[in-house]
Amino acid sequence: GQQLNQSPQSMFIQEGEDVSMNCTSSSIFNTWLWYKQDPGEGPVLLIALYKAGELTSNGRLTAQFGITRKDSFLNISASIPSDVGIYFCAGYGNNRLAFGKGNQVVVIP
Amino acid sequence: KAGVTQTPRYLIKTRGQQVTLSCSPISGHRSVSWYQQTPGQGLQFLFEYFSETQRNKGNFPGRFSGRQFSNSRSEMNVSTLELGDSALYLCASSLASGSFDTQYFGPGTRLTVL
Repeated sequence: GQQLNQSPQSMFIQEGEDVSMNCTSSSIFNTWLWYKQDPGEGPVLLIALYKAGELTSNGRLTAQFGITRKDSFLNISASIPSDVGIYFCAGYGNNRLAFGKGNQVVVIP
Repeated sequence: KAGVTQTPRYLIKTRGQQVTLSCSPISGHRSVSWYQQTPGQGLQFLFEYFSETQRNKGNFPGRFSGRQFSNSRSEMNVSTLELGDSALYLCASSLASGSFDTQYFGPGTRLTVL
């Protein structure tokens, strides 16, 4: 199946820093989703975006639906140790669901 | 409210065998989707069941099949296992078909094929 491109693949950040990650596709999607997955658990939905240009926040998380509908980004502000995990993007449209391979985030205390 | 449960959590099989995984959705949820997660390919959609009918299907061979029962519980079967089938198999449930933005994932079944 189609994969979305997530960059960078892994990030090591100091506690308190902001971190941004990007997700791009060659196809247009109507919905962009961001998930977090902890070890031994399934992904948990963080933010859902439905409209091009939409900017949505969930606590310290902010995500945007790209104007071209082919990309999205996620920002975590003032990172804390529990932010460690794998962050996935997903795009949905035309009855098709695709995922990125994930960004591994490591927060250094 | 109990979350999505998957059994077993871990499974070891050998090539050529078949395996059946089980998923119990959140109470009231009628849609169950299955995903395969590997380090190389990431998360890939297998199929979705709603009201005992397969509604959507990903790009996987026919060795991967599933079914859903009247109580919305779902099973996934993989026949003639290959080494490449080693993966974390996740199921997710939601109220309605195609509601990928409101689905809840289970913890997964880790399948190892030797």
